[in-house]
Amino acid sequence: DVKVTQSSRYLVKRTGEKVFLECVQDMDHENMFWYRQDPGLGLRLIYFSYDVKMKEKGDIPEGYSVSREKKERFSLILESASTNQTSMYLCASRSDRGLNYGYTFGSGTRLTVV
Amino acid sequence: AQRVTQPEKLLSVFKGAPVELKCNYSYSGSPELFWYVQYSRQRLQLLLRHISRESIKGFTADLNKGETSFHLKKPFAQEEDSAMYYCALTPQGTSGSRLTFGEGTQLTVNP
Repeated sequence: DVKVTQSSRYLVKRTGEKVFLECVQDMDHENMFWYRQDPGLGLRLIYFSYDVKMKEKGDIPEGYSVSREKKERFSLILESASTNQTSMYLCASRSDRGLNYGYTFGSGTRLTVV
Repeated sequence: AQRVTQPEKLLSVFKGAPVELKCNYSYSGSPELFWYVQYSRQRLQLLLRHISRESIKGFTADLNKGETSFHLKKPFAQEEDSAMYYCALTPQGTSGSRLTFGEGTQLTVNP
């Protein structure tokens, strides 16, 4: 069974802290994505990566950065957490091979910034 | 730019009734459309995609390019269909491209 694993299910951080959200996939997928999920707003793309050390901004990159040093790991970084970054964060991966364009999602990390 | 709109945030039906979740999109090229579902306390998962023309759990969706819609339908709703549903779009035939989601519709099927 394919897996996208997010290291934490729940996190509580203080305003101003630097926060790392980790995501690991075991499917050898080229593409990885970070979304945030908010009620009434759906899923909004923060950043994505189509290869190691490559990254592209999504729709709402402000206040975030990412790191992809290895193919299987994609980290989301909140440089200085703020209360408006309280949200559910979803990681996903997708393969370029074959005709399967579906994404595989992780279970999510619910981040609360106090 | 690509955009997906789901006009209903909440939808409530009774068990056995037909259900339709609306999805409209805007995209100048050829889109590939998906429906994703998230059951309570579970991860988001693919329900179906238009290119497969399949029926999953009794749900179907037809791409209407004239109306730029991809509505999800089921003739007889079941209580276990209660979940959050997202419509999503990606440019057809392109690898590595982003998936754009709608706002989501929370479906509740009442006994």
